[in-house]
Amino acid sequence: AQSVTQLGSHVSVSEGALVLLRCNYSSSVPPYLFWYVQYPNQGLQLLLKYTSAATLVKGINGFEAEFKKSETSFHLTKPSAHMSDAAEYFCAVTPGSQGNLIFGKGTKLSVKP
Amino acid sequence: NAGVTQTPKFRILKIGQSMTLQCTQDMNHNYMYWYRQDPGMGLKLIYYSVGAGITDKGEVPNGYNVSRSTTEDFPLRLELAAPSQTSVYFCASRPGQGIETQYFGPGTRLLVL
Repeated sequence: AQSVTQLGSHVSVSEGALVLLRCNYSSSVPPYLFWYVQYPNQGLQLLLKYTSAATLVKGINGFEAEFKKSETSFHLTKPSAHMSDAAEYFCAVTPGSQGNLIFGKGTKLSVKP
Repeated sequence: NAGVTQTPKFRILKIGQSMTLQCTQDMNHNYMYWYRQDPGMGLKLIYYSVGAGITDKGEVPNGYNVSRSTTEDFPLRLELAAPSQTSVYFCASRPGQGIETQYFGPGTRLLVL
């Protein structure tokens, strides 16, 4: 069965600091991986997705993630945090092309001035 | 192009009452989903549909029903509301060809007292 583990339910960084949000997956088939962002009182918005084309994936708002099969990881990074990055971030996996997403429990990112 | 719309935004129900959460998309997407989001638990799939007239259970279907009579609409029905159904409900859709992004609505916050 597929699953996603997000390490750290809450991450706090200073403005301008590196953002690193961790995601590890378990999948019996080649996975497709996603990062979604949820701003307060809003729905989820896609940040980026990995569909086996390239291991380093660039997304919106300066975020990127690297697929590492050997570590079963898909960590999300941004070199310099901005106050507007404060939100909850969800990693998700879908097995093959079925399309039913399995979400992690989310990581809430706080950005201090 | 409104995307995915959900009504109502917020509702308070008494135990045992019933209600329908509405979801409409104007992108002509084949696949539609209902999720519930509970604090610290990520999103759980309730039901999904791959096209008009076709629905299937997700991870947490008990206490809910769905129908899909048109491509655009995918209502979620709660027959006998219980406190355990207090949650935020999200509807999502995707085209249905390959590994595409799911597009989420703004959510319905439901409180069962």
